[in-house]
Amino acid sequence: ILNVEQSPQSLHVQEGDSTNFTCSFPSSNFYALHWYRWETAKSPEALFVMTLNGDEKKKGRISATLNTKEGYSYLYIKGSQPEDSATYLCAYFPLYNQGGKLIFGQGTELSVKP
Amino acid sequence: GAGVSQSPSNKVTEKGKDVELRCDPISGHTALYWYRQRLGQGLEFLIYFQGNSAPDKSGLPSDRFSAERTGESVSTLTIQRTQQEDSAVYLCASSLARGVRSPLHFGNGTRLTVT
Repeated sequence: ILNVEQSPQSLHVQEGDSTNFTCSFPSSNFYALHWYRWETAKSPEALFVMTLNGDEKKKGRISATLNTKEGYSYLYIKGSQPEDSATYLCAYFPLYNQGGKLIFGQGTELSVKP
Repeated sequence: GAGVSQSPSNKVTEKGKDVELRCDPISGHTALYWYRQRLGQGLEFLIYFQGNSAPDKSGLPSDRFSAERTGESVSTLTIQRTQQEDSAVYLCASSLARGVRSPLHFGNGTRLTVT
C-alpha cells in the first residue's frame, strides 16, 4: 500500500502570516511529486512538478522543497492572502508504476482570514 | 485555450439506474485520468488512459464501472446499477504525457448524487 500523508489536515491563519505544510511519501520508490491547489467551486490547478532530490520551486509567494531520501516535501506560502484559501494537494508518482497513477494525499485545507 | 470539459456538471439519479459521465480533454493530451472524491475523503484514482488504451484500470471499484476513450479524445465513464456509495465528485484530468513531468489539467467535475 502506498500512502501519501499530508499535515496538518486544516490550517487557519491571518492575512499576512507565512505558513507551511508537509507531504510525506514512500522514499524507496520515488519518481515525481506534484502539488495542486483546489479552490472551492473550481478545478484543481497544478502548482509544481518536482522530480529531483533537493529541488526547490517557486511561483510568486508560494514555494516548495523536495527531499526524496527521507520522503517529504514542504509547501510554503509567504504573506498569506485571503485568495490563498484553498485545499492544497500533493500527489506522488511511484517509479514502478504500471500506468500513470498519481497517488494523492488527503490535502491540507488552508483558510486565510482578512 | 479550452480546458478540460466535463458533462454533466451535476447528476442526480435513482439507485439502480445507469449513468454516463463525459470528459473532453485538452486537444493533444495523450494521457487521461478519472478520479473521484467521496465526501470527506481524498482523491481516489479510478482509471488511466494512454491514447485509447487503458494500461491501468486498477482503481475501478467494481465491474459496474467501465470507461472507454475514443482515440486521443473524448472519454466516457459508465456506472451501471448505481448505488448510494457511488455518490461523489468525478474528476477527469488530462496531460501531455504520462504524468511524471507533465502536470494534470483537471475539469470542473461531475457531482453525482444517487438517491
